[in-house]
Amino acid sequence: EPEVTQTPSHQVTQMGQEVILRCVPISNHLYFYWYRQILGQKVEFLVSFYNNEISEKSEIFDDQFSVERPDGSNFTLKIRSTKLEDSAMYFCASLWTATFEQYFGPGTRLTVT
Amino acid sequence: SQQGEEDPQALSIQEGENATMNCSYKTSINNLQWYRQNSGRGLVHLILIRSNEREKHSGRLRVTLDTSKKSSSLLITASRAADTASYFCATDPKETSGSRLTFGEGTQLTVNP
Repeated sequence: EPEVTQTPSHQVTQMGQEVILRCVPISNHLYFYWYRQILGQKVEFLVSFYNNEISEKSEIFDDQFSVERPDGSNFTLKIRSTKLEDSAMYFCASLWTATFEQYFGPGTRLTVT
Repeated sequence: SQQGEEDPQALSIQEGENATMNCSYKTSINNLQWYRQNSGRGLVHLILIRSNEREKHSGRLRVTLDTSKKSSSLLITASRAADTASYFCATDPKETSGSRLTFGEGTQLTVNP
């Protein structure tokens, strides 16, 4: 069964460093998303991406965040200068337009020290 | 506006019993989706119910939607210890584009063997 994959599963970085989180959405899906979940809190929407551009972003998704689909399969989230408060689980998701079901990857746990 | 508030926050039952979790939301929606999350892991898609549907079944899961009350319930019948997890509802609000999901706080379900 097709699934969304994410790498790495865990990333530890120092404050101020850049990180790139990688996702491979399900191959015939056209809408892609990043969400995050700070420990003990609810899942929050960051950004949606369609047709090679951002379709919507939340107030969390400020200038330090960017997304890219560098080739036909990968979808990346870059955080330019990480802050302690960026520590969270980051989830990638893709949407099946036939049903509008969103399927999530296993997440990348980002720890900023 | 705050969407997707689940209750109860925590539920503990014995194996074989049924578990019912409720979700309320505030704005009009296109659909509502339920997810399961095992501790520290990814979000597993359980079921999607559209705004024009009232009830949907999938295996041991039964979801209802009452758009007049802006509420949904997830019933798990004949629960198993493996059902122990957090359960989240997520709404796709009509007011936003691109099917961004808004999650609730979740219900922690514990099924005791």
